[in-house]
Amino acid sequence: RKEVEQDPGPFNVPEGATVAFNCTYSNSASQSFFWYRQDCRKEPKLLMSVYSSGNEDGRFTAQLNRASQYISLLIRDSKLSDSATYLCVVTATGNTPLVFGKGTRLSVIA
Amino acid sequence: NAGVTQTPKFRVLKTGQSMTLLCAQDMNHEYMYWYRQDPGMGLRLIHYSVGEGTTAKGEVPDGYNVSRLKKQNFLLGLESAAPSQTSVYFCAIGRGSSQFFGPGTRLTVL
Repeated sequence: RKEVEQDPGPFNVPEGATVAFNCTYSNSASQSFFWYRQDCRKEPKLLMSVYSSGNEDGRFTAQLNRASQYISLLIRDSKLSDSATYLCVVTATGNTPLVFGKGTRLSVIA
Repeated sequence: NAGVTQTPKFRVLKTGQSMTLLCAQDMNHEYMYWYRQDPGMGLRLIHYSVGEGTTAKGEVPDGYNVSRLKKQNFLLGLESAAPSQTSVYFCAIGRGSSQFFGPGTRLTVL
């Protein structure tokens, strides 16, 4: 079983739609969780951290379910500029390397 | 790119040739990483370093060597390049939510 699993997509959604991605992780000792965004042929960049209480940043909401070992990302009112690959990332502690999922590709269509 | 540079940006090698990729940072981070990214495989950790003079193996270290002689530089070496090493190589610095990536090096081995 892969340590971090994501649906690769692609998710093709119209502008203004709401879209959600899920990610599951296998290591129950994982402590820190993130969503990264990667544009085509660019480096990954941190989108947001994921906290147990859930967190929101504008149109983006991230949630963590430790019991079921999954993380979600919700994007409301999708924009064309949201088109990218979204990487789910976990780590056991602050000192251990990040483990990346393979990513979910999102295309927002006009 | 948050003070992370990679040299070169592109390179084409013949099988059996050697080369060194350079990652340089000006953010004084202790932690530095080398990843490779292949289609359908996501980001995989090759080697990493938790400080000057230290290195450790990641998920896919075979065929690569690394050195961290200076805190600001992390070098990735290919002693005898193989076509399977055709990939995009990303350097990263920092930890957790403070991890930043360089722009990447596209390497093709013929």
